[in-house]
Amino acid sequence: DTGVSQDPRHKITKRGQNVTFRCDPISEHNRLYWYRQTLGQGPEFLTYFQNEAQLEKSRLLSDRFSAERPKGSFSTLEIQRTEQGDSAMYLCASSPGDRPMSYTFGSGTRLTVV
Amino acid sequence: GENVEQHPSTLSVQEGDSAVIKCTYSDSASNYFPWYKQELGKGPQLIIDIRSNVGEKKDQRIAVTLNKTAKHFSLHITETQPEDSAVYFCAAKTPSWGKLQFGAGTQVVVTP
Repeated sequence: DTGVSQDPRHKITKRGQNVTFRCDPISEHNRLYWYRQTLGQGPEFLTYFQNEAQLEKSRLLSDRFSAERPKGSFSTLEIQRTEQGDSAMYLCASSPGDRPMSYTFGSGTRLTVV
Repeated sequence: GENVEQHPSTLSVQEGDSAVIKCTYSDSASNYFPWYKQELGKGPQLIIDIRSNVGEKKDQRIAVTLNKTAKHFSLHITETQPEDSAVYFCAAKTPSWGKLQFGAGTQVVVTP
Protein backbone atom coordinates (compact mmCIF):
# COMPACT_ATOMS: atom_id res chain seq x y z
CA ASP A 1 0.00 0.00 0.00
CA THR A 2 1.52 3.30 -1.09
CA GLY A 3 -0.91 5.56 0.75
CA VAL A 4 -3.10 8.17 -0.91
CA SER A 5 -1.85 9.10 -4.36
CA GLN A 6 -2.65 12.36 -6.14
CA ASP A 7 -1.94 13.30 -9.72
CA PRO A 8 -0.61 15.61 -10.95
CA ARG A 9 1.56 17.06 -8.20
CA HIS A 10 1.66 20.44 -9.90
CA LYS A 11 -0.55 22.08 -12.50
CA ILE A 12 -0.15 25.48 -14.11
CA THR A 13 -3.07 26.60 -16.23
CA LYS A 14 -4.31 29.73 -17.89
CA ARG A 15 -7.36 31.48 -16.55
CA GLY A 16 -10.51 30.13 -18.15
CA GLN A 17 -9.16 26.64 -18.80
CA ASN A 18 -10.57 23.49 -17.27
CA VAL A 19 -8.45 21.24 -15.06
CA THR A 20 -8.98 17.78 -13.60
CA PHE A 21 -7.20 16.19 -10.66
CA ARG A 22 -7.15 12.56 -9.67
CA CYS A 23 -7.00 10.91 -6.26
CA ASP A 24 -6.36 7.23 -5.58
CA PRO A 25 -7.21 6.47 -1.94
CA ILE A 26 -5.91 3.62 0.19
CA SER A 27 -7.62 0.59 -1.31
CA GLU A 28 -9.64 -0.53 1.71
CA HIS A 29 -10.81 2.99 2.62
CA ASN A 30 -14.43 3.65 1.68
CA ARG A 31 -14.43 7.33 2.62
CA LEU A 32 -12.76 9.98 0.47
CA TYR A 33 -12.45 13.70 1.08
CA TRP A 34 -11.32 16.71 -0.92
CA TYR A 35 -9.89 19.75 0.84
CA ARG A 36 -8.38 22.98 -0.45
CA GLN A 37 -5.45 24.69 1.25
CA THR A 38 -4.21 28.19 0.50
CA LEU A 39 -0.88 29.58 1.66
CA GLY A 40 -0.72 30.06 5.41
CA GLN A 41 -4.11 28.52 6.04
CA GLY A 42 -5.46 25.20 7.20
CA PRO A 43 -7.24 22.83 4.84
CA GLU A 44 -10.83 23.79 3.99
CA PHE A 45 -13.41 21.07 3.38
CA LEU A 46 -14.77 20.81 -0.16
CA THR A 47 -16.61 17.50 -0.46
CA TYR A 48 -16.88 13.96 0.87
CA PHE A 49 -17.72 10.55 -0.56
CA GLN A 50 -18.72 7.33 1.08
CA ASN A 51 -18.09 4.69 -1.55
CA GLU A 52 -19.48 6.25 -4.75
CA ALA A 53 -22.04 8.47 -3.02
CA GLN A 54 -21.21 12.16 -2.60
CA LEU A 55 -22.65 12.85 0.84
CA GLU A 56 -21.67 16.42 1.51
CA LYS A 57 -20.52 19.49 -0.40
CA SER A 58 -19.20 22.74 0.99
CA ARG A 59 -20.54 26.12 -0.03
CA LEU A 60 -16.96 26.67 -1.26
CA LEU A 61 -17.71 24.20 -4.05
CA SER A 62 -19.23 26.53 -6.64
CA ASP A 63 -20.95 25.27 -9.75
CA ARG A 64 -17.57 25.40 -11.52
CA PHE A 65 -16.36 22.55 -9.32
CA SER A 66 -17.45 18.96 -9.69
CA ALA A 67 -16.22 15.80 -8.04
CA GLU A 68 -16.89 12.19 -8.87
CA ARG A 69 -16.04 8.78 -7.50
CA PRO A 70 -17.69 6.57 -10.09
CA LYS A 71 -16.82 3.12 -8.80
CA GLY A 72 -16.12 3.93 -5.20
CA SER A 73 -12.37 3.76 -5.78
CA PHE A 74 -10.48 6.70 -7.33
CA SER A 75 -11.98 10.18 -7.44
CA THR A 76 -11.63 13.15 -9.77
CA LEU A 77 -12.06 16.84 -9.03
CA GLU A 78 -12.71 19.08 -12.01
CA ILE A 79 -12.60 22.85 -12.04
CA GLN A 80 -14.14 24.55 -15.05
CA ARG A 81 -13.32 28.06 -16.24
CA THR A 82 -10.50 28.44 -13.72
CA GLU A 83 -9.98 31.76 -11.96
CA GLN A 84 -6.89 33.12 -10.24
CA GLY A 85 -8.62 32.63 -6.92
CA ASP A 86 -8.65 28.89 -7.56
CA SER A 87 -4.87 28.79 -7.09
CA ALA A 88 -4.30 26.55 -4.08
CA MET A 89 -3.19 23.13 -2.95
CA TYR A 90 -5.93 20.55 -3.45
CA LEU A 91 -5.67 17.75 -0.92
CA CYS A 92 -7.34 14.37 -0.99
CA ALA A 93 -7.74 12.18 2.07
CA SER A 94 -9.26 8.79 2.73
CA SER A 95 -10.35 6.91 5.83
CA PRO A 96 -11.59 3.41 6.67
CA GLY A 97 -15.13 2.58 7.65
CA ASP A 98 -14.22 1.44 11.16
CA ARG A 99 -12.18 4.57 11.92
CA PRO A 100 -13.79 7.26 9.76
CA MET A 101 -11.95 10.12 11.42
CA SER A 102 -8.51 8.62 10.87
CA TYR A 103 -7.67 10.54 7.73
CA THR A 104 -4.68 9.75 5.55
CA PHE A 105 -3.85 12.68 3.31
CA GLY A 106 -2.15 12.60 -0.04
CA SER A 107 0.63 15.04 -0.91
CA GLY A 108 -1.76 17.23 -2.83
CA THR A 109 -1.99 18.87 -6.25
CA ARG A 110 -0.72 22.43 -6.37
CA LEU A 111 -2.72 24.47 -8.87
CA THR A 112 -1.48 27.79 -10.19
CA VAL A 113 -3.82 29.80 -12.40
CA VAL A 114 -2.03 32.47 -14.46
CA GLY B 1 -20.75 26.12 11.72
CA GLU B 2 -17.67 25.15 13.66
CA ASN B 3 -14.84 27.67 13.96
CA VAL B 4 -11.36 26.71 15.17
CA GLU B 5 -8.79 29.29 16.21
CA GLN B 6 -5.13 28.38 16.67
CA HIS B 7 -2.31 30.23 18.44
CA PRO B 8 0.45 31.11 18.01
CA SER B 9 0.91 31.34 14.27
CA THR B 10 4.67 30.89 14.63
CA LEU B 11 6.72 29.34 17.41
CA SER B 12 10.47 29.24 17.70
CA VAL B 13 12.03 27.00 20.34
CA GLN B 14 15.50 25.82 21.26
CA GLU B 15 16.20 22.14 20.79
CA GLY B 16 15.31 20.29 23.95
CA ASP B 17 12.74 22.83 25.12
CA SER B 18 8.96 22.28 25.11
CA ALA B 19 6.47 23.67 22.61
CA VAL B 20 2.79 24.33 23.30
CA ILE B 21 0.13 25.14 20.71
CA LYS B 22 -3.40 26.10 21.73
CA CYS B 23 -6.71 25.88 19.90
CA THR B 24 -10.22 26.93 20.71
CA TYR B 25 -13.42 25.71 19.08
CA SER B 26 -16.88 27.17 18.95
CA ASP B 27 -19.28 24.24 18.63
CA SER B 28 -19.84 22.48 21.95
CA ALA B 29 -21.13 19.44 20.05
CA SER B 30 -17.69 18.77 18.56
CA ASN B 31 -16.37 15.48 19.89
CA TYR B 32 -13.13 14.66 18.09
CA PHE B 33 -9.92 16.72 18.05
CA PRO B 34 -6.94 15.58 15.95
CA TRP B 35 -3.56 17.23 15.45
CA TYR B 36 -1.71 17.09 12.14
CA LYS B 37 1.90 17.78 11.20
CA GLN B 38 2.61 19.08 7.70
CA GLU B 39 6.11 19.15 6.27
CA LEU B 40 7.01 21.14 3.19
CA GLY B 41 5.57 19.64 0.02
CA LYS B 42 3.61 16.97 1.86
CA GLY B 43 0.07 16.46 3.00
CA PRO B 44 -0.88 16.74 6.69
CA GLN B 45 -0.06 13.67 8.78
CA LEU B 46 -2.08 12.71 11.85
CA ILE B 47 0.17 12.70 14.93
CA ILE B 48 -2.28 12.43 17.82
CA ASP B 49 -6.00 12.76 18.47
CA ILE B 50 -8.36 12.97 21.43
CA ARG B 51 -12.06 12.38 21.89
CA SER B 52 -14.36 14.44 24.05
CA ASN B 53 -14.70 11.73 26.70
CA VAL B 54 -10.97 11.95 27.49
CA GLY B 55 -9.12 14.85 29.11
CA GLU B 56 -5.55 14.01 28.18
CA LYS B 57 -3.65 11.67 25.90
CA LYS B 58 0.07 11.09 25.56
CA ASP B 59 2.25 9.40 22.96
CA GLN B 60 5.97 9.51 23.71
CA ARG B 61 7.03 13.17 23.43
CA ILE B 62 3.67 14.55 22.39
CA ALA B 63 0.53 15.02 24.44
CA VAL B 64 -2.85 16.62 23.94
CA THR B 65 -5.14 18.06 26.60
CA LEU B 66 -8.81 18.93 26.23
CA ASN B 67 -10.93 21.29 28.32
CA LYS B 68 -14.52 20.84 27.18
CA THR B 69 -15.89 23.50 29.50
CA ALA B 70 -13.61 26.16 28.09
CA LYS B 71 -13.74 24.63 24.60
CA HIS B 72 -10.02 24.55 24.11
CA PHE B 73 -7.38 21.92 23.51
CA SER B 74 -3.61 22.03 23.38
CA LEU B 75 -0.67 20.16 21.88
CA HIS B 76 2.45 19.74 23.97
CA ILE B 77 5.77 18.62 22.48
CA THR B 78 8.54 17.92 24.96
CA GLU B 79 12.28 17.60 24.33
CA THR B 80 11.90 19.15 20.90
CA GLN B 81 14.20 18.03 18.09
CA PRO B 82 15.03 19.67 14.74
CA GLU B 83 12.82 17.13 12.97
CA ASP B 84 9.85 18.51 14.87
CA SER B 85 10.11 21.63 12.70
CA ALA B 86 6.94 21.75 10.60
CA VAL B 87 3.49 23.33 10.44
CA TYR B 88 1.05 21.90 12.98
CA PHE B 89 -2.72 22.04 12.55
CA CYS B 90 -5.43 21.38 15.07
CA ALA B 91 -8.89 20.35 13.93
CA ALA B 92 -12.32 19.64 15.34
CA LYS B 93 -15.03 17.33 14.09
CA THR B 94 -18.20 19.20 13.35
CA PRO B 95 -21.66 17.79 13.99
CA SER B 96 -21.89 17.34 10.22
CA TRP B 97 -20.48 13.83 10.19
CA GLY B 98 -17.29 13.25 8.27
CA LYS B 99 -15.97 16.78 8.10
CA LEU B 100 -13.04 18.27 10.00
CA GLN B 101 -12.65 22.00 10.62
CA PHE B 102 -8.98 23.00 10.73
CA GLY B 103 -7.17 25.81 12.49
CA ALA B 104 -4.89 28.13 10.52
CA GLY B 105 -1.72 26.34 11.59
CA THR B 106 1.39 26.99 13.66
CA GLN B 107 4.84 27.11 12.08
CA VAL B 108 7.20 25.50 14.58
CA VAL B 109 10.93 26.07 14.17
CA VAL B 110 13.31 24.11 16.40
CA THR B 111 16.79 25.61 16.42
CA PRO B 112 19.79 23.45 17.40
